[in-house]
Amino acid sequence: DIVMTQSPDSLAVSLGERATINCKSSQSVLYSSNNMNYLAWYQQKPGQPPKLVIYWASIRRSGVPDRFSGSGSATDFTLTISSLQAEDVAVYYCQQYYSSPTTFGQGTRLEIK
Amino acid sequence: EVQLVESGGGLVKPGGSLRLSCTASGITFSNAWMNWVRQAPGKGLEWAGRIKSKSDGGTTDYAAPVKGRFTISRDDSKNTLYLQMNSLKTDDTAVYYCTTVVSNGSVCWGQGTLVTVSS
Repeated sequence: DIVMTQSPDSLAVSLGERATINCKSSQSVLYSSNNMNYLAWYQQKPGQPPKLVIYWASIRRSGVPDRFSGSGSATDFTLTISSLQAEDVAVYYCQQYYSSPTTFGQGTRLEIK
Repeated sequence: EVQLVESGGGLVKPGGSLRLSCTASGITFSNAWMNWVRQAPGKGLEWAGRIKSKSDGGTTDYAAPVKGRFTISRDDSKNTLYLQMNSLKTDDTAVYYCTTVVSNGSVCWGQGTLVTVSS
């Protein structure tokens, strides 16, 4: 199974500042036939299901604010929130869906400093 | 718009059984590979199992903690996915989500259904 490791486990950022969360996979999740990385990012608030933020590593889901961006390829990925807003407080997860079983990072808790 | 709706959760005693359902709309369900993912209270996301489309063999795979106790099936005529859970343990207490990758590479989730295993 592909192991997904996020860093840091928790992060406190001031309002308006940049937040960066990293995700590393134990194997490449880049599919050579279409050159797409099968990597998603989710935002989860208490009592709610995970909300898809980014898929294919860098594609923002429709309706997601453009302060959210995803980058990286193969085994190293980053979720960046360019200017943190209060409503961004949540736990963020990365997920690989390149191979079965799909696997998730352990989560990163993002808070306001 | 793709929509997945889970149902069937509830309170069950250890050793008991429960069947969850996930009804899909907005996708060609018969072509979809479907997953069950669960989340125990205060914990992270854990894949429980997957079923392929019938055209890809219809086979199932399970995570080690549920193998032999859980069974995933599908009824393509009803656009519905099932999770039969037997010999339930307290560790199976979780919100259960059905998920699938859709044609544009995005991942769709349901809102989840809570299963509580307690005496």
